[in-house]
Amino acid sequence: DSGVTQTPKHLITATGQRVTLRCSPRSGDLSVYWYQQSLDQGLQFLIQYYNGEERAKGNILERFSAQQFPDLHSELNLSSLELGDSALYFCASSVVVDTGELFFGEGSRLTVL
Amino acid sequence: QQQVKQSPQSLIVQKGGISIINCAYENTAFDYFPWYQQFPGKGPALLIAIRPDVSEKKEGRFTISFNKSAKQFSLHIMDSQPGDSATYFCAASRRGSTLGRLYFGRGTQLTVWP
Repeated sequence: DSGVTQTPKHLITATGQRVTLRCSPRSGDLSVYWYQQSLDQGLQFLIQYYNGEERAKGNILERFSAQQFPDLHSELNLSSLELGDSALYFCASSVVVDTGELFFGEGSRLTVL
Repeated sequence: QQQVKQSPQSLIVQKGGISIINCAYENTAFDYFPWYQQFPGKGPALLIAIRPDVSEKKEGRFTISFNKSAKQFSLHIMDSQPGDSATYFCAASRRGSTLGRLYFGRGTQLTVWP
C-alpha cells in the first residue's frame, strides 16, 4: 500500500459528461502528480501541484483541469468527455517538489461510453 | 513522439533465469532514470533508479546498467522469481523542469515460469 488514496476506483459515464477524480496524497507529501495510462499513449504526465500551486504541466487537455486544496488533496476534473478519454488515471505524491521517486495510488479507471 | 523507447514488449523467463529489459532515449538533458514495477490492479512502484554519473547500480537481484554515450540503459533481474512477474517501465526525467515529470517507456510484461 503506497498510502495514496484515489476515488472512485471505477467510473462509467457517457460522452459529453463531466467527472471529478479525487486523490489524497501520503501523509506529509506536499507534491501531487496526475498521470494518464492508456493503451494508445502509455503512461503520460498530466500535471503537478506543490503545496497548492501548479508546478508543471504536461500533456493535459484544455477540457481537463486540476487543483490542490489547502488540506493537500487534489482533484482532476474531466469535462466534455470523449470516448478517447477512457483510461486509467493515476495520482502520485512525493515529499519534496523535485524528485523522481513518486508514490502512485491504485488509479481510477474511467470508461466513457 | 515517444521520448523513451523500451523493449521487449513482453518477456518470458524461466525461474532462476536472468531477465533483461532495455531502454533508449534521445534527449541528452535527461539526468534521472528510474524503473517502476506495476502489478495488475496496482499503481507503478519505484524499483530502482540511476543518475548518469554512474554506469551501474545494484540493489539485491536488480541491476541497472547505464551507457551514457549510447543513450541506453537496461534493467537486469538476476535469479528471476515468479513473484517478479509484473509490468516494468523505464522512465527518464530532467532537472530544469521537474524530476517528477517522468517520460515512461511503453512497458515490458515479464512472466517468470516456475
